[in-house]
Amino acid sequence: AQSVSQHNHHVILSEAASLELGCNYSYGGTVNLFWYVQYPGQHLQLLLKYFSGDPLVKGIKGFEAEFIKSKFSFNLRKPSVQWSDTAEYFCAGTLTTSGTYKYIFGTGTRLKVLA
Amino acid sequence: DVKVTQSSRYLVKRTGEKVFLECVQDMDHENMFWYRQDPGLGLRLIYFSYDVKMKEKGDIPEGYSVSREKKERFSLILESASTNQTSMYLCASRSRNTEAFFGQGTRLTVV
Repeated sequence: AQSVSQHNHHVILSEAASLELGCNYSYGGTVNLFWYVQYPGQHLQLLLKYFSGDPLVKGIKGFEAEFIKSKFSFNLRKPSVQWSDTAEYFCAGTLTTSGTYKYIFGTGTRLKVLA
Repeated sequence: DVKVTQSSRYLVKRTGEKVFLECVQDMDHENMFWYRQDPGLGLRLIYFSYDVKMKEKGDIPEGYSVSREKKERFSLILESASTNQTSMYLCASRSRNTEAFFGQGTRLTVV
């Protein structure tokens, strides 16, 4: 089945450590990819998005992601995490099917940053 | 700013009741979506709509139906609520070249 998958379900890091969260997609054709963050008790917030062009995408709060078509991946990175980055992170993508566009999510990665 | 508004923040319903969740967006978006969010399962797509009166099943449509009579409004219907439908329900809308914009969510409890 066509999907977006996140293999890291829980990640624990110390402050100042580097972060990389994996995201893979399994469908071909045109892809649009997104990363969202959800802080405890809050709504989803868009971190960054990729439609086309430069495969290295810069987002808010110092996050970036790289679209690697050959690996079907769109991993999220941050060079130095802070305690305030503790949250759940979701990768999402659009799936074109018969001219309509599903918008589907991975199962999320819970990040805990230790002060 | 894009605004997606869900009619209720919290709902408590009894098993077997018919439940309506309403969602309205103000940006003339073609596409609208209903998800449920459960711990460890992420956001799962229930139904989506790409135009007025048009709908497609998502990944978990069983027990749900939808209605889109006007472009700005997308309703999720639980025909006969069951306890396993207790969840957070999120509505979203988007145009073809934008990200999805989300409502604040409705936490539904079925007792």
